[in-house]
Amino acid sequence: DAGVIQSPRHEVTEMGQEVTLRCKPISGHNSLFWYRQTMMRGLELLIYFNNNVPIDDSGMPEDRFSAKMPNASFSTLKIQPSEPRDSAVYFCASSHTTNTGELFFGEGSRLTVL
Amino acid sequence: KQEVTQIPAALSVPEGENLVLNCSFTDSAIYNLQWFRQDPGKGLTSLLLIQSSQREQTSGRLNASLDKSSGRSTLYIAASQPGDSATYLCAVGHDYKLSFGAGTTVTVRA
Repeated sequence: DAGVIQSPRHEVTEMGQEVTLRCKPISGHNSLFWYRQTMMRGLELLIYFNNNVPIDDSGMPEDRFSAKMPNASFSTLKIQPSEPRDSAVYFCASSHTTNTGELFFGEGSRLTVL
Repeated sequence: KQEVTQIPAALSVPEGENLVLNCSFTDSAIYNLQWFRQDPGKGLTSLLLIQSSQREQTSGRLNASLDKSSGRSTLYIAASQPGDSATYLCAVGHDYKLSFGAGTTVTVRA
């Protein structure tokens, strides 16, 4: 299996622009997570999907952030409009089950907002 | 709220020495505990997963123990190598959420 695949790996954009990050989870996994990693705050859970349904989006910073999972093999995280404080590494992760499943991470998307 | 602490924040050892990485957590009602490795600019790689009913897991030179009652886990890496240099993160699972420690950055000197 190719693992969790994220794109783009690097994104540099200007404040106010829309950013879309993409994720393909491991085939057969039914749980998908979006995390954000910064030096100051470490890893933060943004949103969790189970069977393509958003279960917990309490970690989404504000209305500028949105996430979708239209099918079991694809998810997006969108920031509109982007701000410099959104600069971080965004990780997608998937697992087969929720409570006992091992979590597998993608390589991350490094976002820089100028 | 689950608090996960990893001490020390950084560790430097000569090649061949055994590594001992500590993780403590405040809420013992956990489902599992997972140790990850992160190389600079890379994602997190799962090393070991310990279910709440287990006391330890082993994989090659790695051994992780779990003591729920005291809220502690320890990752042992035997006979360290320069390739073991990375940041190691502990994550505690409760329901569907993982709470992460800040990590221990390990440098193994050749």
